[in-house]
Amino acid sequence: EIVMTQSPATLSVSPGERATLSCRASQSVSSNLAWYQQKPGQAPRLLIYGASTRATGFPARFSGSGSGTEFTLTISSLQSEDFAVYYCQQYNNWWTFGQGTKVEIK
Amino acid sequence: QVQLVESGGGVVQPGGSLRLSCAASGFTFSSYGMHWVRQAPGKGLEWVAFIRYDGSNKYYADSVKGRFTISRDNSKNTLYLQMNSLRAEDTAVYYCAKEYEAYCGGDCFFDYWGQGTLVTVSS
Repeated sequence: EIVMTQSPATLSVSPGERATLSCRASQSVSSNLAWYQQKPGQAPRLLIYGASTRATGFPARFSGSGSGTEFTLTISSLQSEDFAVYYCQQYNNWWTFGQGTKVEIK
Repeated sequence: QVQLVESGGGVVQPGGSLRLSCAASGFTFSSYGMHWVRQAPGKGLEWVAFIRYDGSNKYYADSVKGRFTISRDNSKNTLYLQMNSLRAEDTAVYYCAKEYEAYCGGDCFFDYWGQGTLVTVSS
């Protein structure tokens, strides 16, 4: 099983600041990496796929990068609606999720 | 628009059984692989099971293998999860999710999720 490790567990950021979230795979997943956003009481929502392609409905302040085992999700200027939990997921070899990073208001 | 609506959750005693359903609409259900993903209270996401678009292949997480069975009825646009020998650690919100690409061979991410149904295993 491919293990996905996200860091940090919690990220405290002020509105307007930049947030950088990391995701590491225990073995290469190529670019088969997705990011999901989940707000309290809601289902996860696809944010990024193919490591760097933004899903429909998300603004350009969200960007993804990386390949192989190291991936990054960057939110360039946090807005109030961006405070949520973010999960990475590999779909290269079955499907596994990271444990999530909670982005909270500082 | 794509809609996935789960049902069938509830409270069940340890060792009991429950069948979840996921009613799909807004897309050609028979062309897409489907998944179940669960989330224990306050915890992260755990992939549970996958079924190919035609039902020919099914995969399970080790944590549920031998106890849970995924199935689908393409004539009814419905996905199922039969859960037997339930344990306290199976307590979670269960989501169904649709694969992004039709006829995907398995290396696909999930583009739509239902709102989930809560399963509580407790005596």
